Amino acid sequence: GENVEQHPSTLSVQEGDSAVIKCTYSDSASNYFPWYKQELGKRPQLIIDIRSNVGEKKDQRIAVTLNKTAKHFSLHITETQPEDSAVYFCAASRLVPGTASKLTFGTGTRLQVTL
Amino acid sequence: DSGVTQTPKHLITATGQRVTLRCSPRSGDLSVYWYQQSLDQGLQFLIQYYNGEERAKGNILERFSAQQFPDLHSELNLSSLELGDSALYFCASSRSPPPDTQYFGPGTRLTVL
Repeated sequence: GENVEQHPSTLSVQEGDSAVIKCTYSDSASNYFPWYKQELGKRPQLIIDIRSNVGEKKDQRIAVTLNKTAKHFSLHITETQPEDSAVYFCAASRLVPGTASKLTFGTGTRLQVTL
Repeated sequence: DSGVTQTPKHLITATGQRVTLRCSPRSGDLSVYWYQQSLDQGLQFLIQYYNGEERAKGNILERFSAQQFPDLHSELNLSSLELGDSALYFCASSRSPPPDTQYFGPGTRLTVL
């Protein structure tokens, strides 16, 4: 089955700096890679996702890059703000048209944005 | 608000007991997933249902079971509870065919005393 590794487990940055979280996956057939943000005691919320036919996707201060050859993808947050402090999870999945599929999650990165 | 609802929000029970957690997916979503998140842990996939049928199993204990009903809501049954079962249990739903984004419910916090 799929295995997703995520690094670092904790990350502390100063407000305004950039943060980068990296994930690798094992199943070369995986084609869908979402990122979730989870604040303490809250539900995971999708912040951005990328499919394997795209190498990069941006949404304001958040971007995700995908390297299919190396089987890794990264989350980039620019101009970090205190409200970005949370746990971030990457995930990978193989989507098959007409069926549902399960996500395999990384172990999470606790991001702390300091003033 | 993701549109996925879960009840109850909190549940406190004793070891050896049995509980049922309920999830209603977003309107139009056919697939339901259950996850367990222990303190400071990641999301452990338990089980997935698609349109009433079990589709995938993860790290689900034999003491746990689930089902998805004709109206697409799902229930997760946890029996012979142990202290280590205390966790946040999340339900997520997705629409098929792709895009297959999973949207999470608010979770049920289970405390076993």
